[in-house]
Amino acid sequence: NAGVTQTPKFQVLKTGQSMTLQCAQDMNHEYMSWYRQDPGMGLRLIHYSVGAGITDQGEVPNGYNVSRSTTEDFPLRLLSAAPSQTSVYFCASSSLVRLYEQYFGPGTRLTVT
Amino acid sequence: AQTVTQSQPEMSVQEAETVTLSCTYDTSESDYYLFWYKQPPSRQMILVIRQEAYKQQNATENRFSVNFQKAAKSFSLKISDSQLGDAAMYFCAYRRGRGSEKLVFGKGTKLTVNP
Repeated sequence: NAGVTQTPKFQVLKTGQSMTLQCAQDMNHEYMSWYRQDPGMGLRLIHYSVGAGITDQGEVPNGYNVSRSTTEDFPLRLLSAAPSQTSVYFCASSSLVRLYEQYFGPGTRLTVT
Repeated sequence: AQTVTQSQPEMSVQEAETVTLSCTYDTSESDYYLFWYKQPPSRQMILVIRQEAYKQQNATENRFSVNFQKAAKSFSLKISDSQLGDAAMYFCAYRRGRGSEKLVFGKGTKLTVNP
């Protein structure tokens, strides 16, 4: 059981480049979400999804797009990277019937130069 | 909007001693969950303990326990018999109950354990 997986673990981008951070879970969880973690800021919610085909914005959605075509996958897209998006990104998932448990992926450290 | 406040950016404790990390939160909801997450240098977010708001009894997990004061909106974490492996960032988090998928985090407390 892999849990929540994220790829890549590290990424360096130049300003203006685009990329997709991948997130997958094998627990059949309905809920999936993306957080970013900046020094001194804790984790902040970017986007989330309550099921395939359904997404919504979190606290800091600007500059990011998401889609949820399958239950397992929830990719996060940066269309035009900016230095302000340098951060550590976490994907998380949880079950509708066990809302008190949220599983986190290992994180992706993204640097935008 | 719900907020979570951790007023101690850094704490330190001697090995085998006890330390308490503070957390307060603001909400108008009556149904919610509170969590403490540990983040070691590996970056992995590890759930330490959780508390359901409707439960009066404080949660306990081995050396970790909480002091949940619902009226005061306070949720502190006590680590007993501290070990070197307890050194990490600790985050307090809030989640509204009944179908909410959003976690609101505090800014974290860095715990150092001195041998």
